[in-house]
Amino acid sequence: EAQVTQNPRYLITVTGKKLTVTCSQNMNHEYMSWYRQDPGLGLRQIYYSMNVEVTDKGDVPEGYKVSRKEKRNFPLILESPSPNQTSLYFCASSLSQPTSGATDTQYFGPGTRLTVL
Amino acid sequence: QKEVEQNSGPLSVPEGAIASLNCTYSDRVSQSFFWYRQYSGKSPELIMSIYSNGDKEDGRFTAQLNKASQYVSLLIRDSQPSDSATYLCAVKEGTYKYIFGTGTRLKVLA
Repeated sequence: EAQVTQNPRYLITVTGKKLTVTCSQNMNHEYMSWYRQDPGLGLRQIYYSMNVEVTDKGDVPEGYKVSRKEKRNFPLILESPSPNQTSLYFCASSLSQPTSGATDTQYFGPGTRLTVL
Repeated sequence: QKEVEQNSGPLSVPEGAIASLNCTYSDRVSQSFFWYRQYSGKSPELIMSIYSNGDKEDGRFTAQLNKASQYVSLLIRDSQPSDSATYLCAVKEGTYKYIFGTGTRLKVLA
């Protein structure tokens, strides 16, 4: 089954304790992206990756890191989480990006609900 | 900062009616537009993508795009209670970035 998976689905942690949220897709997609969703603010793009070893900042990258060492995986790293990073996080992927068309449709993972105390 | 604007709702329609959801965007050069449906606590799922001016129909859903006026809309015909969800409008900005609206909450009343 074609899918985007995220782990963990729920996480409660404390301020300053480094954590990683994993994202994996089995569709051989080139493009992957991380979003956070907060009430009243909608989905905001954190980072995206156009291909292996190529990443760039979205609109809210502060406090986050990413890496893309393999095509299928795109982990989100919070080196020193703070309470304002409490949010619902989604990973998404699409086949390719440079042109418009069916290949730039994003498919979302199930989400990771993170609480930072 | 490019923006995508949606009325937060809730938009309430009776079962069987047409629901009309609207979205405006600020980036004049955007070429890709998407409607996602999101149930509470779940991930967004694609309903429709549209790239050219005019209408695009898929079952009970019709997306309408007007690039000159910078709006995109979604019509849901024969609305069902199962259509009750938040509908997100998304616009691709440039080559690699996406901007999402905050969503319109739709309630279909049985």
